Amino acid sequence: GAVVSQHPSRVICKSGTSVKIECRSLDFQATTMFWYRQFPKQSLMLMATSNEGSKATYEQGVEKDKFLINHASLTLSTLTVTSAHPEDSSFYICSAGGGGVTDTQYFGPGTRLTVL
Amino acid sequence: DQQVKQNSPSLSVQEGRISILNCDYTNSMFDYFLWYKKYPAEGPTFLISISSIKDKNEDGRFTVFLNKSAKHLSLHIVPSQPGDSAVYFCAASSKRGGADGLTFGKGTHLIIQP
Repeated sequence: GAVVSQHPSRVICKSGTSVKIECRSLDFQATTMFWYRQFPKQSLMLMATSNEGSKATYEQGVEKDKFLINHASLTLSTLTVTSAHPEDSSFYICSAGGGGVTDTQYFGPGTRLTVL
Repeated sequence: DQQVKQNSPSLSVQEGRISILNCDYTNSMFDYFLWYKKYPAEGPTFLISISSIKDKNEDGRFTVFLNKSAKHLSLHIVPSQPGDSAVYFCAASSKRGGADGLTFGKGTHLIIQP
C-alpha cells in the first residue's frame, strides 16, 4: 500500500513551547490529509482536515489557534501544537489518500507527544 | 455519543479457528466502512473495506460482512494466526475511501492463543 511518513516519531517538550509534526505522503499526491489524536486506550479522534492550498477545517471542540495546520504542498502537511500543555500529551497520527485516488486512508506511524 | 461502536474490548481465539469482530454504527449517512489493524505506538494498517452497496467483501483470510438495515458489520478472519494478535478498529465514512475523514470505534483487542 501507499506510504505515509511522520516526523518526529516521539517528542518531549516543556510546557508553553510549540511543537511541529510533519506528515508526508511518499509515493502519491494528497490534496487532503487528516490529523487524528489518540489518548491511551481510546479510539482515534479526527481533529482536522488539512486541505492543500487552503485553510484546514477543524472538528467541533478542536481549537484552531492551538493546533495550526499547514498543507503547503501535495505531499506535506504539518501540525503545530502551540503553547503546549501537559493535557496535549497524546499520540498524533496523520492519514492521506481516499476518494478517487485510493479506496482507503493510509496512516502514518504516529508521533508520541509528551509535554512536561 | 459514539457513532461507531465496538462493544467487545477484547476477544480471545484459538489459532486456526475463526475470529469474528463486530461493529455497530448509528449514523445512517455512513456509506463506506473500513477495518484497520493496529499495534501500540504505530499507525493503523488498512485491512479491508466495504461500500454500502455491497453486503460482503473478501480478501484472502479476511471477509467483511455488512448488514445495512441492522447498521452492523463484522470482520471474519479465518484461519486465525498468531500474527493476527493486535487491536482491530472499525471505521466509517460518508464518502468512498474515507475522503471526508474517518470515525473510529474504540477497538477490539484480538488475542490468538497457540
